[in-house]
Amino acid sequence: QKEVEQDPGPLSVPEGAIVSLNCTYSNSAFQYFMWYRQYSRKGPELLMYTYSSGNKEDGRFTAQVDKSSKYISLFIRDSQPSDSATYLCAMSPPGQNFVFGPGTRLSVLP
Amino acid sequence: GAVVSQHPSRVICKSGTSVKIECRSLDFQATTMFWYRQFPKKSLMLMATSNEGSKATYEQGVEKDKFLINHASLTLSTLTVTSAHPEDSSFYICSASTDSGTQETQYFGPGTRLLVL
Repeated sequence: QKEVEQDPGPLSVPEGAIVSLNCTYSNSAFQYFMWYRQYSRKGPELLMYTYSSGNKEDGRFTAQVDKSSKYISLFIRDSQPSDSATYLCAMSPPGQNFVFGPGTRLSVLP
Repeated sequence: GAVVSQHPSRVICKSGTSVKIECRSLDFQATTMFWYRQFPKKSLMLMATSNEGSKATYEQGVEKDKFLINHASLTLSTLTVTSAHPEDSSFYICSASTDSGTQETQYFGPGTRLLVL
């Protein structure tokens, strides 16, 4: 079993839809959880950063961490064509390197 | 905001040659820089962690003699792929951290696409 699993997609949704992106993991020591957005042929950019469990909201983006289920989610409300990108989750135990998921490719259709 | 640049953005080279990729933090000092490799539809794989003025720490399975990393200043790290072969073709991404040794505050460069013929 891979440490971090993520459905590669592609996920296609109409403009305005609510998007749910998810990652599962196996290492219960993970405490830091991050979501990155990566446009084609570009480096990743940090979207959300959460520590331990709970929810975090930033504009149209909400990150959720459920440590009991080893499951994290990123929700995008009112999705826009400009949200079309690959979304990577990353996570780590304290003081250790991050492990990245393979990314989910999202396409928001106008 | 923190900006990280990479040069070149794309390079094509012949098998057996060496290629140098530069990573620069443009508006901040980066005590730590990270080098990643990304295959299509695959995770970012950390290759090495580079601290200014000291030897890089390589991840397991990464050949340090093949992927030479130099972090000569607080704003510049270089990755040299020596004697490149077609299997080295990949997307190489660097990131720079404003906090020593942590990835939480890393800012990524735009990446360099290497194609070895």
